[in-house]
Amino acid sequence: GQQLNQSPQSMFIQEGEDVSMNCTSSSIFNTWLWYKQDPGEGPVLLIALYKAGELTSNGRLTAQFGITRKDSFLNISASIPSDVGIYFCAGLGAGGTSYGKLTFGQGTILTVHP
Amino acid sequence: NAGVTQTPKFQVLKTGQSMTLQCAQDMNHEYMSWYRQDPGMGLRLIHYSVGAGITDQGEVPNGYNVSRSTTEDFPLRLLSAAPSQTSVYFCASKPRQGNTEAFFGQGTRLTVV
Repeated sequence: GQQLNQSPQSMFIQEGEDVSMNCTSSSIFNTWLWYKQDPGEGPVLLIALYKAGELTSNGRLTAQFGITRKDSFLNISASIPSDVGIYFCAGLGAGGTSYGKLTFGQGTILTVHP
Repeated sequence: NAGVTQTPKFQVLKTGQSMTLQCAQDMNHEYMSWYRQDPGMGLRLIHYSVGAGITDQGEVPNGYNVSRSTTEDFPLRLLSAAPSQTSVYFCASKPRQGNTEAFFGQGTRLTVV
């Protein structure tokens, strides 16, 4: 099956620092999604990327869809305490039996110290 | 808007007991799926459905059954719970067509003792 490797697994940073995390895959995806999960909640979409090479921003968040369609990164600038949570990348299947299926990375646990 | 609703939020089972986790969505989404979340492993797909009457296995289907009699509901059944099924379970839905995001419920935290 498709595999997504997300790194780093965890990050401990000071408020105001920038954060970067990435995902790589052995398979091609049509869409890359970045989700954030707060404690006790389900994942919520942060950014969606639909085209290879696409660079998209949402406030302090910036994400890119890799040219090869096998990788993506998420950057958070000027972190604040409410950025704490688990961040997941997810790839949406490119076709055949994978069409419509989401494959998730292992998650990055972000801790922000005030 | 309700979105995706999961019940219960918490459940403790004894080994061998059975139960059904409920999932309902009010967005008329064709595609529904169940994931389990375990530390360090992200979300792993258990079962999914592309429409009423159609279900298929995901990455970790053993020990779980599903059915999809209506568009709105996609229950997950544990026939004989095992401690290895202690996890947080998430239901998600999305439109079938197009590369669109999946919407998640708030999760069910299940402990099997």
